[in-house]
This record gives sequence, structure tokens and C-alpha cells, in this order.
Amino acid sequence: DTAVSQTPKYLVTQMGNDKSIKCEQNLGHDTMYWYKQDSKKFLKIMFSYNNKELIINETVPNRFSPKSPDKAHLNLHINSLELGDSAVYFCASRGSGAEQFFGPGTRLTVL
Amino acid sequence: DAKTTQPTSMDCAEGRAANLPCNHSTISGNEYVYWYRQIHSQGPQYIIHGLKNNETNEMASLIITEDRKSSTLILPHATLRDTAVYYCIVRVSLNNFNKFYFGSGTKLNVKP
Repeated sequence: DTAVSQTPKYLVTQMGNDKSIKCEQNLGHDTMYWYKQDSKKFLKIMFSYNNKELIINETVPNRFSPKSPDKAHLNLHINSLELGDSAVYFCASRGSGAEQFFGPGTRLTVL
Repeated sequence: DAKTTQPTSMDCAEGRAANLPCNHSTISGNEYVYWYRQIHSQGPQYIIHGLKNNETNEMASLIITEDRKSSTLILPHATLRDTAVYYCIVRVSLNNFNKFYFGSGTKLNVKP
């Protein structure tokens, strides 16, 4: 009965590769987010989508391209991966209430 | 561009109240204060939020100063399972959409 799920949980890849992380929520929420948590545990918002429409893009490099095929899904595609992209990426969703529900995270390691 | 500052870590004895402080001196009048916690690299978990008034729920209490420049999260009876990183967050509303600014977090160590 997972509310917000992400796949994969771990992703290890070489520099220069292209990879995708998937997020799905079964809460019926309209708004979804991607956050990046760096090695110092600092969480920073990357993107926000509402009803499949991009609302917030926090000066993230063009190599990151979110895609929302429907309200329940927000995927993150990353081109030409760099060492600095290594982090834990969290997906979250929010309905009409105040709370954001976070997924379990995807730990990306770029070698 | 963090809008909050928190101590890096705190210790608390099991069964005692844990009081976690947060400074948000640049907060604007319509910006809410939220608290989330993150246990062992899991996804952050909502605890409580407030605007001006003190708030209480089944998990915690939130005390916001009258000038709103700081707040304190109170866990009334800390247990070992409350060991986590606690994030104080300012929620900014932009064109009817909300953006969370996470602080650097306080690692709370609850000790037996």
C-alpha cells in the first residue's frame, strides 16, 4: 500500500551515461515534486509539477528533464551524468492538504 | 538560500522532552513553518506545521515566538525511535504553489 514509490532504490552508473528514475503516487494528488539530497543531507527542491504541468524549475541544469505522463507519475531523466549528480533523489506529492508525502528515495552514484 | 538555521545535533534522554530550536529571522507574514523528520535516510516524514499560533498534534507541539523569528519543536516524551534528523522548513507560496525551503537539520540522538 505504498503511497509514493520510486524505482530504482539504488542506481550506480558511469559518468556520461543517461539514466531515468521513476516515481508513482497512488494518493490521487495533483502536485508532485523532485528533491535532491546531497552528501551533507541538505534537501533542495528541483522541480514541481501540478496536473502534469511544470510549475517550479529551480535552476536545475538542462541535463535534468522531468516528465509527467499523467497525474500519478513524475519521472526524472538525467543526461550525461556527472560526478556531482551523485545524491539521493526524493519524489514527493501533495494534495489539497498541507503535507507533502515523500517517497523512499533513489540513491544515485556516478562513478 | 536556506531560510532556517538549526543546531547540528542534540542529545535527549529517553522519556524526557526534546526541544528542538529553529531560527527563521527573515520569514515573511504569510510563510508557514513546517517540521519534518528523516529516519535513517528514509523519505522525510511530516510532523507538524503552523503560521502564528502554537500547534499540537499526536506527535509533537510547535511553539512559534510572537515575532515569528524562531520556533521550537517539542517531542513531549522522546523514545529511541525518535532518533532522526529533524528539519525546520519555511513554506513559501508562489502564485498559489508552495515551495519548501529545508534547513540543514538537527540530528536528535535519543539515549537510553
